[in-house]
Parts: sequence; structure tokens; C-alpha cells
Amino acid sequence: EDQVTQSPEALRLQEGESSSLNCSYTVSGLRGLFWYRQDPGKGPEFLFTLYSAGEEKEKERLKATLTKKESFLHITAPKPEDSATYLCAVRPGGGSQGNLIFGKGTKLSVKP
Amino acid sequence: GAVVSQHPSWVICKSGTSVKIECRSLDFQATTMFWYRQFPKQSLMLMATSNEGSKATYEQGVEKDKFLINHASLTLSTLTVTSAHPEDSSFYICSAREGRLAGGGTQYFGPGTRLLVL
Repeated sequence: EDQVTQSPEALRLQEGESSSLNCSYTVSGLRGLFWYRQDPGKGPEFLFTLYSAGEEKEKERLKATLTKKESFLHITAPKPEDSATYLCAVRPGGGSQGNLIFGKGTKLSVKP
Repeated sequence: GAVVSQHPSWVICKSGTSVKIECRSLDFQATTMFWYRQFPKQSLMLMATSNEGSKATYEQGVEKDKFLINHASLTLSTLTVTSAHPEDSSFYICSAREGRLAGGGTQYFGPGTRLLVL
């Protein structure tokens, strides 16, 4: 069964304290792993797409990496405005429609 | 970047009335659009997938006669909650997948519509 597990569920950091969020997945034929950011009361905002193991993408203080079993979202020197829930999703291959399977998210709080 | 809009952003209605929510992809064509529901502090729950010009595919447990979906064009999908009841109160989010490749392309989300049924 296709599955996505994110950890930790919640993460509290001090401003400037770097850390990583984990997304572990089991999927039949990965056709993309996606990271989104969601602020309270808003829809998810697209961050990155990763397609193959070894791929990395960066955007400001965020860097996403991918292996065959998991993805990490590294946050370097976070700021309070980085506080949000970060969602990981995978698109399975095979005979599926390609609908995204989401993890439950990691709620990040960055204190000044 | 790609933008998906939703209208209205919030709506309050009386029990028994119907509510229509519009979802538009503003700068790209979306062959496939999705409707999600999200309860407080929970992740997204896929309700249905709609392809332009064809009937929507509903997830198990979602009543197709209650949640009517119309994907009339490559940039517009609508969700109508018929005879809404208080238990339908929720945050509804639409999503559009760019590109025509089957199963490919990035999925972008709208800002969501908060529905409160009194």
C-alpha cells in the first residue's frame, strides 16, 4: 500500500536554529515527490518537486533532497515567517491515476 | 508561478440551501482538477478528481449527488454542495494539475473556501 509518513509531527525552533523535516514513503513507482507549505486558513503553497534519488532543490532557506525511501526538507537559519505546516506528497506510478498521497504534515514554529 | 483562484473565500448559508464554489487556473490549462476537504488540524482529504469534459471520479465515501462537480473547461471547475447541512461545514480546497501528460505535472492549490452551514 502506498504510504507517506512525516516526522516529527511538530517542531519548535529558535530563530537561526537549523533543522530538517523528514518524509518517508513507500510507493509503487514514484512519479514525483512534492513539498508544500500551508499557512493556517489557506491552501497549500507549492515549494518543490523531486523526481529521482539524488536530486536536490533549493529556495531561499529551504533545501529538499530525495533518496529511494525518503525526502528531507532542510531549513537553514529559519525565521519566524517560516512558521507553517509543511506537507509532503508522493505521486505513485503504475496503473494509478497519479493522485497525490499526502502525509499528515509537520507543524513548524520558529520563535524569535 | 502558476496561480489557482477560488471563489468565494468564505460562505455562510442556511441548512438546506445549495452552495457553489468556483475554481479557476489563471495562467495555465488544467486537464485535471481536484477537490479536497480539510478538517481542523488534519491533512487534506481528496473528495474527487475531475477531468475536463468528463464525469468526476469520487473517492470512496463521498456522495456524488451531494457534491456535484462540473469541469466545464480547461480553466474552470465548480463544486456545488447541494442541500447543505451543518456537518458539511468545512474548508474546501481545489487544486489544478498543469500539463496534459497523463498523471504528470505539478499540482497547484487554490486558497480554499470556508463553508459554514447554520
